[in-house]
Amino acid sequence: ETGVTQSPTHLIKTRGQQVTLRCSSQSGHNTVSWYQQALGQGPQFIFQYYREEENGRGNFPPRFSGLQFPNYSSELNVNALELDDSALYLCASSLEAGRVYNEQFFGPGTRLTVL
Amino acid sequence: QQPVQSPQAVILREGEDAVINCSSSKALYSVHWYRQKHGEAPVFLMILLKGGEQKGHEKISASFNEKKQQSSLYLTASQLSYSGTYFCGTEEHQGGSEKLVFGKGTKLTVNP
Repeated sequence: ETGVTQSPTHLIKTRGQQVTLRCSSQSGHNTVSWYQQALGQGPQFIFQYYREEENGRGNFPPRFSGLQFPNYSSELNVNALELDDSALYLCASSLEAGRVYNEQFFGPGTRLTVL
Repeated sequence: QQPVQSPQAVILREGEDAVINCSSSKALYSVHWYRQKHGEAPVFLMILLKGGEQKGHEKISASFNEKKQQSSLYLTASQLSYSGTYFCGTEEHQGGSEKLVFGKGTKLTVNP
């Protein structure tokens, strides 16, 4: 059973640029959630995708967008990068049934630095 | 609004017990507990659902008081491997969708 993988591991961008982060969910999981974790803070929910549709969104501006593909892998896109976007971006996959959150399996994260 | 965790940090000797609390100002549908070691991804510990159902690891116990909108995680006979930052996440429903909101974490250090 393959765990959750994310790419790239690290990324350095400059302010105003755009970035795409990728996540492969654990085998059999149909839901992917994305989180932003600043240093010393808890993960902040960005959004969740369930069966290729957005199924919930946190307090993030529209320049944060995502996609989920038929194989349940996912992308997080961030446009017009700002310095405060520097953080660890985590994706987590789970097998959702109905409207109940289940155990989430987190990937190792992508460390984004915006200069 | 994120749940509030207490204490912010705790230091134990191996074998001692600890309680980590999580409270929310909003109605709770479920509470989730994760542990994150330095430089690693968060790892699932437990889910507590309304009505008393729990899913999690056998060696971890927790409580969920729906009326008080609180949850507590009980770590007994702590081991060195228990060290890490513990996060509670509360499931919130808004506008027909759900989201999981994590607290700022409680850093637990277990010393020999």
